[in-house]
Amino acid sequence: AQSVTQLDSQVPVFEEAPVELRCNYSSSVSVYLFWYVQYPNQGLQLLLKYLSGSTLVKGINGFEAEFNKSQTSFHLRKPSVHISDTAEYFCAVSDPGGYQKVTFGTGTKLQVIP
Amino acid sequence: GAVVSQHPSRVICKSGTSVKIECRSLDFQATTMFWYRQFPKQSLMLMATSNEGSKATYEQGVEKDKFLINHASLTLSTLTVTSAHPEDSSFYICSARLGQGARGYGYTFGSGTRLTVV
Repeated sequence: AQSVTQLDSQVPVFEEAPVELRCNYSSSVSVYLFWYVQYPNQGLQLLLKYLSGSTLVKGINGFEAEFNKSQTSFHLRKPSVHISDTAEYFCAVSDPGGYQKVTFGTGTKLQVIP
Repeated sequence: GAVVSQHPSRVICKSGTSVKIECRSLDFQATTMFWYRQFPKQSLMLMATSNEGSKATYEQGVEKDKFLINHASLTLSTLTVTSAHPEDSSFYICSARLGQGARGYGYTFGSGTRLTVV
């Protein structure tokens, strides 16, 4: 079984400041890792994903994440946030085998303060 | 890119009636679709996995007779909430897997359906 933990339910940050959203996972097998963003009453949009290779993954909207196998983490970062980044962010893990179901974390609400 | 169109975006129905939610893949063939339910301020909970032409696989605790899933074609999957009750009010989201597992493009999501049962 696999699981995802997002320790921070809410992260307030001032506009143009850097931000890190934390994600830790647990799995007995290799995993694929994802970050998604959800705006109110909308579906999910993929920000970035880690499948293999370089542990530093760059995504859309200036976000990046680093896969750390020893710490089982996949934290999301952005050096300078904008008001438009205010949204809910979900970390997710997928098992490469079987039906490859995606397990989501509980989400982190990023609140950018002007 | 790959787009999944989900309709309706919002629906209000009376208790005891049934509601059908559709997800269509617009520019690709969705062999596998996932249906999620999201409670306010909570994460997405996988309800079931549907494969085209076969019965859906439901997660533990999900009533298969209440949440009917049909995946009759490679471009359409439907979720029908039968005999809806207020506790079924939620945000439902479909997702299609792209490529072979996540090695392809990953997963794409519909825009969600806000169901309110009164």
